[in-house]
Amino acid sequence: DIVMTQTPLSLSVTPGQPASISCKSSQSLLHSDGKTYLYWYLQKPGQSPQLLIYEVSSRFSGVPDRFSGSGSGTDFTLKISRVEAEDVGVYYCMQGIHLLWTFGQGTKVEIK
Amino acid sequence: EVQLVQSGAEVKKPGESLKISCKGSGYSFTSYWIGWVRQMPGKGLEWMGIIYPGDSDTRYSPSFQGQVTISADKSISTAYLQWSSLKASDTAMYYCARLGGWLQPFDYWGQGTLVTVSS
Repeated sequence: DIVMTQTPLSLSVTPGQPASISCKSSQSLLHSDGKTYLYWYLQKPGQSPQLLIYEVSSRFSGVPDRFSGSGSGTDFTLKISRVEAEDVGVYYCMQGIHLLWTFGQGTKVEIK
Repeated sequence: EVQLVQSGAEVKKPGESLKISCKGSGYSFTSYWIGWVRQMPGKGLEWMGIIYPGDSDTRYSPSFQGQVTISADKSISTAYLQWSSLKASDTAMYYCARLGGWLQPFDYWGQGTLVTVSS
């Protein structure tokens, strides 16, 4: 199985400040079709996970542009340009290239 | 509007059987894979398995193969996750989620079904 490792596991951010989460995969997520199948989800307290980013850097419908994704191969980053109170929750990266989908451990984001 | 609506919370005893459901609407149910994801209390997300309702092609995570059964009834746009003999360690929230396409993410999720197994 591909192992997804996120850092940090928790983050406390002042509103309006940026935040960054790293995700590393144990194998390359670059497919032979040229796309990289790395996704980011946010699970707000008491809610189901919601898709934020697909294929490393594409925002899903309705996702604010303060969220951005970057990276390649095995190293990826989710950035929030200016954290808002509604951004609290646990962020997960997930790989979809190997059809045994695996998630990172999650990064809990709190507001200071 | 794409919606996945799951059945309600369950409280069961060890050894009992259980089948929970996930009803899709707002899209062609037979054209998209449906996956199941477990979240144990206070823990992260684990993919369990996936089914294509169009032909019932089913794949399981090795961690869950033989432990659960995934099925679907396309006539009522509903996918199922079932256990034949529950254990206390099956206590968790279970989510169904639609796969947006092969090699695509799980784009829409159900609200979750909490399963509690306790003697």
